[in-house]
Amino acid sequence: QSVLTQPPSVSAAPGQRVTISCSGTSSNIGNNFVSWYQQFPGAAPKLLIYDNDKRPSEIPDRFSGSKSGTSATLGITGLQTGDEADYYCGTWDSSLSAGVFGGGTKLTVL
Amino acid sequence: QVQLVQSGPEVKKPGASLQVSCKASGYTFTRHAISWVRQAPGQGLEWMGRISAYNGNTNYIHAQKFQGRVSMTTDTSTSTAFMELRSLRSDDTAVYYCARGSYDFTPWGQGTLVIVSS
Repeated sequence: QSVLTQPPSVSAAPGQRVTISCSGTSSNIGNNFVSWYQQFPGAAPKLLIYDNDKRPSEIPDRFSGSKSGTSATLGITGLQTGDEADYYCGTWDSSLSAGVFGGGTKLTVL
Repeated sequence: QVQLVQSGPEVKKPGASLQVSCKASGYTFTRHAISWVRQAPGQGLEWMGRISAYNGNTNYIHAQKFQGRVSMTTDTSTSTAFMELRSLRSDDTAVYYCARGSYDFTPWGQGTLVIVSS
């Protein structure tokens, strides 16, 4: 049981927009920065978004992040088949004094 | 470029100890923490802890299943971080990753597959 809650799967057609939610509490998302990771099968995760809404320079602007209260959202526009992957949110939990992740969301591009 | 290269796959028997290494290059090692995350087969990411490469301060996960079994160290002379997990159990079977950072993690090492089996 993950501390952060994500939908197990989402799907959308190529070219469309999809959002992935990440729900937490005041101990984690509510008072700490959120990051998002993309993971392809058999590969290490890759940072997509940090500090809620910032992108590393190599990440295309099709990927965006936002946070409101105790929830965060990853948005992906102009979906491509190459975006099919697992996506994880992560943050710090001040009560646990530990890093925490969501359970992951599998994105299918139909 | 910034890179983390981990040690190779391991097969261990229950009760044994494990050490995974993570060699950093392309940046000043002591300026960033190294965090450790594991992923059991078909499962999500699980944060295990982090170590400051500057002063060796550590934060470990407090979960019962890890109690007293995990430790993290660094060797600044070789820019290498180490994670030791003791008293291995079958449910420690996972891919173990190191990653640079305290609160967000980039880059990640390639992962080290650890199988615990009798």
